[in-house]
Amino acid sequence: DAGITQSPRYKITETGRQVTLMCHQTWSHSYMFWYRQDLGHGLRLIYYSAAADITDKGEVPDGYVVSRSKTENFPLTLESATRSQTSVYFCASSEAGTAQYEQYFGPGTRLTVT
Amino acid sequence: AQSVTQLGSHVSVSEGALVLLRCNYSSSVPPYLFWYVQYPNQGLQLLLKYTTGATLVKGINGFEAEFKKSETSFHLTKPSAHMSDAAEYFCAVSDLYSSASKIIFGSGTRLSIRP
Repeated sequence: DAGITQSPRYKITETGRQVTLMCHQTWSHSYMFWYRQDLGHGLRLIYYSAAADITDKGEVPDGYVVSRSKTENFPLTLESATRSQTSVYFCASSEAGTAQYEQYFGPGTRLTVT
Repeated sequence: AQSVTQLGSHVSVSEGALVLLRCNYSSSVPPYLFWYVQYPNQGLQLLLKYTTGATLVKGINGFEAEFKKSETSFHLTKPSAHMSDAAEYFCAVSDLYSSASKIIFGSGTRLSIRP
């Protein structure tokens, strides 16, 4: 299907485990983003990528790792999950990197760390 | 530094009534302003945006917002609420021509519609 997809949609993991959230887009957008959504905080940017093999930190990158070997995929890895990383994670993509270009969001992954 | 404040974490209106969701921002330079909507269990979707030009911006689903520089506001309105408008709404701000990585989102306002 065309668009931007995320998997899994729901994930429960234990403290200390590694978990990877997947994001896939079919538009060949150059820019991709990872956000976390927490009550009272809105969306906060974790990492973003301008192109394959180009990534950069956002506002809250600590505890997360990203990679982008292919334009269409942008996985987010929590190397050692903590309870504070319980959140809803959204991936987004954009045709270009300036703010005037619309970001298209995936449906989100709800992650619970026990 | 930029910031955005959404007044009211929860707004409830009757079906057919006016919807008014408030957003105030701070920015030292001309801003881009956005409203996004998030329906239950879905990602965010752009409702409308202000970049430059006309200060009254019309978006999808009958929503509009007016950029008021003197009041540093970008309130979202809809003349007549529909049940399908129930969702979370986010205001966002960035500097004119800045990177998309610099967009700051508000904490959101949940809109409920009473039958």
